Amino acid sequence: QKEVEQNSGPLSVPEGAIASLNCTYSDRGSQSFFWYRQYSGKSPELIMFIYSNGDKEDGRFTAQLNKASQYVSLLIRDSQPSDSATYLCAVNGDTGFQKLVFGTGTRLLVSP
Amino acid sequence: GAGVSQSPSNKVTEKGKDVELRCDPISGHTALYWYRQRLGQGLEFLIYFQGNSAPDKSGLPSDRFSAERTGESVSTLTIQRTQQEDSAVYLCASSFFRYNEQFFGPGTRLTVL
Repeated sequence: QKEVEQNSGPLSVPEGAIASLNCTYSDRGSQSFFWYRQYSGKSPELIMFIYSNGDKEDGRFTAQLNKASQYVSLLIRDSQPSDSATYLCAVNGDTGFQKLVFGTGTRLLVSP
Repeated sequence: GAGVSQSPSNKVTEKGKDVELRCDPISGHTALYWYRQRLGQGLEFLIYFQGNSAPDKSGLPSDRFSAERTGESVSTLTIQRTQQEDSAVYLCASSFFRYNEQFFGPGTRLTVL
């Protein structure tokens, strides 16, 4: 079983809709969870992090964490074509606080 | 600078040559990471430096790969006797010791002919 799993997509949503991206992880001891956005040909950019169970909102983005079920999700409200990118989930694994394990990413396509 | 910088941005080399890639982390960031990303693939962890501790080299794919870091500053990733399968974008990231949010540089695109 992969440590961090994401559906590769593509996830296609129309402009203005809510995009829901999901990630599951295997290490119950994981404490910190991140979402990165990566545009084609660019490096990953940190957009959200969450440490506690529940929801964390930042503008149009909401990260949701459920440690009991070992999943973390990212909701993007009012999706825009500029949100089209690959979204990477990252979790600190069993090798320590700072080393992150990345999922392979979900490609999001927002159509006008 | 404000962000992580990497050089060169692009490197084309011939099979069998050695290459050196450089990463300059955000000032004050004690942790530094190297990743490889092949075209259309996810991030592959290579090596992790944390302060003066021994680096975590568990991701290096072969002994042709090595990396050094001087203190908490610049790091160089060296690939000896490059092979065509080494062609990828090499990404560097850094983080502050109290937190583990990693910030990425723009990457070095390596092409081995």
